Amino acid sequence: EVQLVESGGGLIQPGGSLRLSCAASGFTVSSNYMSWVRQAPGKGLEWVSVIYSGGSTYYADSVKGRFTISRDNSKNTLYLQMNSLRAEDTAVYYCASDLSAWGQGTLVTVSS
Amino acid sequence: DVVMTQSPLSLPVTLGQPASISCRSSQSLVHSDGNTYLNWFQQRPGQSPRRLIYKVSNRDSGVPDRFSGSGSGTDFTLKISRVEAEDVGVYYCMQGTHSWTFGQGTKVEIK
Repeated sequence: EVQLVESGGGLIQPGGSLRLSCAASGFTVSSNYMSWVRQAPGKGLEWVSVIYSGGSTYYADSVKGRFTISRDNSKNTLYLQMNSLRAEDTAVYYCASDLSAWGQGTLVTVSS
Repeated sequence: DVVMTQSPLSLPVTLGQPASISCRSSQSLVHSDGNTYLNWFQQRPGQSPRRLIYKVSNRDSGVPDRFSGSGSGTDFTLKISRVEAEDVGVYYCMQGTHSWTFGQGTKVEIK
């Protein structure tokens, strides 16, 4: 059974950094395209980043230069390193595999 | 950037009746590889999103056949042939041809 479990969210001050993790089971993260999608409170879905099986990475303009997506094949885990966080980054962050399997999300709150 | 525009944004429906959601893109979603990367997602209250349809009209595994997708170029439609109570939620279209972009979402509720 395919399962994705996010962790690492929490309350962080503006300008701070946070690393989200997405532990995968039932498949290999390196074999699929893995993405991060976020949802601000009461708002719609916003794509954040994707890493393809070949290693290519892409980012939404809103996070480019501040966020970095990566994966650890040995741990079968996807990551999102978030730097220079802003209030508008406050959201539930979901990881997804091939957009067909999604985690339960982890809440990131950027506030002083 | 490609803008995805859904309509309506709110859709009250009667149980057992059909429902239709429109999604329009600001430019053609036909990729250079010939595919059209248009997806539909359902998000039930308090749940994670779930993909229903990929590449315009292909249903994901386990998706009831009352859901269907159609369209081409810049105009796409998600149809529910007979709405059931479990279909309540927000539906999003998403394009994956030119980077990735979601529509604003359409809230489906029972009248």
